[in-house]
Amino acid sequence: EAQVTQNPRYLITVTGKKLTVTCSQNMNHEYMSWYRQDPGLGLRQIYYSMNVEVTDKGDVPEGYKVSRKEKRNFPLILESPSPNQTSLYFCASRLQGIPVYEQYFGPGTRLTVT
Amino acid sequence: AQKVTQAQTEISVVEKEDVTLDCVYETRDTTYYLFWYKQPPSGELVFLIRRNSFDEQNEISGRYSWNFQKSTSSFNFTITASQVVDSAVYFCALIPLTGNQFYFGTGTSLTVIP
Repeated sequence: EAQVTQNPRYLITVTGKKLTVTCSQNMNHEYMSWYRQDPGLGLRQIYYSMNVEVTDKGDVPEGYKVSRKEKRNFPLILESPSPNQTSLYFCASRLQGIPVYEQYFGPGTRLTVT
Repeated sequence: AQKVTQAQTEISVVEKEDVTLDCVYETRDTTYYLFWYKQPPSGELVFLIRRNSFDEQNEISGRYSWNFQKSTSSFNFTITASQVVDSAVYFCALIPLTGNQFYFGTGTSLTVIP
């Protein structure tokens, strides 16, 4: 089954404790991306990657890191989480190219930082 | 600059009523793509439609229809004879062809009352 998976689905952590949210897709998509969803703010793009070793900042990259060492994986790293990073996080992937294809989203990761 | 505005934060309708969700966008690019996604209460993001800026034909899919008007920079979504299962948050999104970043609106929460 074609899908984007994220782990963990739920995470409660404390300020300053480094964490990684994994994202994996099995559709051989070049493009992968991370979003955060907050009430009243919709979905905001954190980082995106157009292919292996190619990443770029979205609208809200502060406090986050990403890496793309393999095509299928795009982990999101919070080196020193803070309470303002409490949010619902989505990973997405799509085929790169023209036309611009729709994104497939993972199930989401609900992160709480206390 | 790119921007997507969904001015309707919350809408409530009674079952079987028609409802239109508004989406207004801003972009300086002449070629771009617009999307609608649905987020039901279960939380996943479901792709509904993609439209490119050169295709102004309206589209109908069952009870769903989309009206794209370049002259007013709008891409509105109408649900005919709404059903309880239509209750969800709906997001409109934009990506210019020359860019790699998606821009989402803040979403419209639709509640269909039985």
